[in-house]
Amino acid sequence: QSALTQPASVSGSPGQSITISCTGTSSDVGGYNYVSWYQQHPGKAPKLMIYDVSNRPSGVSNRFSGSKSGNTASLTISGLQAEDEADYYCSSYTSSGTWVFGGGTKLTVL
Amino acid sequence: QITLKESGPTLVKPTQTLTLTCTFSGFSLSTGGVGVGWIRQPPGKALEWLALIYWDDDKRYSPSLKSRLTITKDTSKNQVVLTMTNIDSVDTATYYCAHKGGGSSKFDYWGQGTLVTVSS
Repeated sequence: QSALTQPASVSGSPGQSITISCTGTSSDVGGYNYVSWYQQHPGKAPKLMIYDVSNRPSGVSNRFSGSKSGNTASLTISGLQAEDEADYYCSSYTSSGTWVFGGGTKLTVL
Repeated sequence: QITLKESGPTLVKPTQTLTLTCTFSGFSLSTGGVGVGWIRQPPGKALEWLALIYWDDDKRYSPSLKSRLTITKDTSKNQVVLTMTNIDSVDTATYYCAHKGGGSSKFDYWGQGTLVTVSS
């Protein structure tokens, strides 16, 4: 299985919205509503931000939202804040009963 | 609350076997649908999913590493052990264990991670 494809970097100014894409195949992203998104600050463990494409865990800001169209999932962060600057990873369950992660996207808040 | 913590050697020589232990609390690996997975991250690189064991002892492995990995659980000790054989420098990484809740594919709780360096 190949890693899901994410842009290496995205940037935005405080208050703006950004979207990070995550492209897979019909065997993973496109085949299941089991896409998750994780935020990782330097030196820290990943933190779950979105699960099952568009659900937010308790405690995660509603500025974070997820969606999916075909084989591509997306994470949107609205009202960007300095604390959102981090690496973001998507992940999907696969038809093999395994998981696959994306290559990660570095978000810079200008 | 759910917590997980990884433990194991910080330095391993090439060709050796790496054994990592995930000790957890706040949930039972006997509960239907629950699993514990391992994910690693080489320095400066992306997350890579390695393996997962379910409450019923069903085991799943990364296709690219399947021949080198073994995952087991000790429910009475609340531990999950990952073994990786024939270690190489490319296996230098921070290794995380994570909880997968029942009825979902999400990894909702993660350990702090443990850095394993492979060097002679």
